Amino acid sequence: KAGVTQTPRYLIKTRGQQVTLSCSPISGHRSVSWYQQTPGQGLQFLFEYFSETQRNKGNFPGRFSGRQFSNSRSEMNVSTLELGDSALYLCASSPALLNTGELFFGEGSRLTVL
Amino acid sequence: KQEVTQIPAALSVPEGENLVLNCSFTDSAIYNLQWFRQDPGKGLTSLLLIQSSQREQTSGRLNASLDKSSGRSTLYIAASQPGDSATYLCAVNRDDKIIFGKGTRLHILP
Repeated sequence: KAGVTQTPRYLIKTRGQQVTLSCSPISGHRSVSWYQQTPGQGLQFLFEYFSETQRNKGNFPGRFSGRQFSNSRSEMNVSTLELGDSALYLCASSPALLNTGELFFGEGSRLTVL
Repeated sequence: KQEVTQIPAALSVPEGENLVLNCSFTDSAIYNLQWFRQDPGKGLTSLLLIQSSQREQTSGRLNASLDKSSGRSTLYIAASQPGDSATYLCAVNRDDKIIFGKGTRLHILP
């Protein structure tokens, strides 16, 4: 059974640009959640999507957005990139809602903003 | 506001020793608590999930306990091995939000 797949694995952008990250969950999983990991702040919850609907959102500005498609694949977009957006972005999938079951993480997308 | 703390931030122990990692949280009204392992530059691997109604979970050499009333969880690793070296994170789930501790970086000395 394939795990959670994130693309791209590494990317470099400049300030002001935008970026789109992709996450393919484990087959049959309907919940996809996104996280930002930095050395200073640790791992922080961005948002969760379930059945194409955003269920909840962490404390991040509106520049961070996402969506989920009918096949449960999800994308995350960050607009008007800032230096502080440099981080490892992780997604996780779960067979049910985030607050009920085990989370399975991808390897992450490492974003560097210059 | 829920806060999750893991102490110590780093730990080194000789191979073969049993060890305990700690996780504390400020709000006891949680749905579940999960322990993860993270290798450098990688994603997280789920180790154990404890629902709020449970007191402990076991998987192989790992045992995790949960005491909601005191806001504490422990991860016990028996007979540690060099391959156990990694960062261990706990995460608390409540109100559709998940809060992570900053982790304990574990180094097993051969």
